[in-house]
Amino acid sequence: GEDVEQSLFLSVREGDSSVINCTYTDSSSTYLYWYKQEPGAGLQLLTYIFSNMDMKQDQRLTVLLNKKDKHLSLRIADTQTGDSAIYFCAERVSRDDKIIFGKGTRLHILP
Amino acid sequence: EPEVTQTPSHQVTQMGQEVILRCVPISNHLYFYWYRQILGQKVEFLVSFYNNEISEKSEIFDDQFSVERPDGSNFTLKIRSTKLEDSAMYFCASSEAPQGFGYTFGSGTRLTVV
Repeated sequence: GEDVEQSLFLSVREGDSSVINCTYTDSSSTYLYWYKQEPGAGLQLLTYIFSNMDMKQDQRLTVLLNKKDKHLSLRIADTQTGDSAIYFCAERVSRDDKIIFGKGTRLHILP
Repeated sequence: EPEVTQTPSHQVTQMGQEVILRCVPISNHLYFYWYRQILGQKVEFLVSFYNNEISEKSEIFDDQFSVERPDGSNFTLKIRSTKLEDSAMYFCASSEAPQGFGYTFGSGTRLTVV
């Protein structure tokens, strides 16, 4: 079945790069997403990548997709305290309208 | 920037009571969704809605749940007889197209059933 897995916690020093990893199972995924959830807030779409791409860069964010290994990563360059949040990896499969989420990775920034 | 608005932000209800969670999607969006997130768990799909009918629903969305678009702006989720395990954050979302670039989510309603 469809499943998205990601590690639950990541601690990074301010100014370093953060890399959040995710694996998914459904090879018919069309879009893969990264959502950010700050405390008490909703889910904010950070970036997405279409399944026929292998990389997408948007300012401090770089998304890498390895379709063969079904692995997605989000790199945040020059991590700031404002990046502290939960980051959800998610996929949309071609036959469905729904999005399948991972459990989220809590990014903690060390001073 | 257009946003999806959800009310209330927090609702406490007694077990067995009916609750209605309200959402105002982005005005030109045609596809509407409800998701929920039990504390510490994944964000789970509940239901999608298009053209005044349910297009897809999950196993969670049983007969206790219903959705409605009572007018041109609101989209509601009703839970007929709440159970303790319905306690969760409920997110509404909308999108322009079903296979689009991700939905816009609201900030959620935290439902606490006591």
